[in-house]
Amino acid sequence: SQTIHQWPATLVQPVGSPLSLECTVEGTSNPNLYWYRQAAGRGLQLLFYSVGIGQISSEVPQNLSASRPQDRQFILSSKKLLLSDSGFYLCAWIDRAAPTNEKLFFGSGTQLSVL
Amino acid sequence: QQQVKQSPQSLIVQKGGISIINCAYENTAFDYFPWYQQFPGKGPALLIAIRPDVSEKKEGRFTISFNKSAKQFSLHIMDSQPGDSATYFCAASMNRGSTLGRLYFGRGTQLTVWP
Repeated sequence: SQTIHQWPATLVQPVGSPLSLECTVEGTSNPNLYWYRQAAGRGLQLLFYSVGIGQISSEVPQNLSASRPQDRQFILSSKKLLLSDSGFYLCAWIDRAAPTNEKLFFGSGTQLSVL
Repeated sequence: QQQVKQSPQSLIVQKGGISIINCAYENTAFDYFPWYQQFPGKGPALLIAIRPDVSEKKEGRFTISFNKSAKQFSLHIMDSQPGDSATYFCAASMNRGSTLGRLYFGRGTQLTVWP
């Protein structure tokens, strides 16, 4: 069965420090991968998505970047964190080959606090 | 702008009662409407979803009602239980091709079911 791993679960970083969040998917090949952010009291907002290795699309201009160095690995990064980067970051995936390929599955998330 | 509007923001229901959460959308190109359930500190989990070719979909105690002409859809939880206490998100997307997995979420409803 397919599983998604996301770490760390919580992170406290000072303003101006770098960021690297990692997500890996097991049990599937060539998935679509996504980074969503959930700010307090708000819905989830799509930040980046990837349909393949090295292919990244950005939904909103921001202080963050994403990379997909391997088929089942998705990384969210920042060179210098801002206070406004605080939030709950969620990695998600879709199995394009599945009969019900519209189903989006989320990881357990990373709670990032920038102080 | 908020593509999907969700109400109420919070809901308190007695055990055994019916919980109803409403969502409205503007983009008539949306063709996939999922509901997600999220417990504190966890990623959202897909609960139930509907396509606009049907007006209702039921899975156990959970029912989606869909009104295409009004551009509204709602989640009904019958016989609500304390274990249903969570945050519920509605979402919408044009779930095909390059838009696969790009969901627009409502801001969430925090449901509390009292025993």
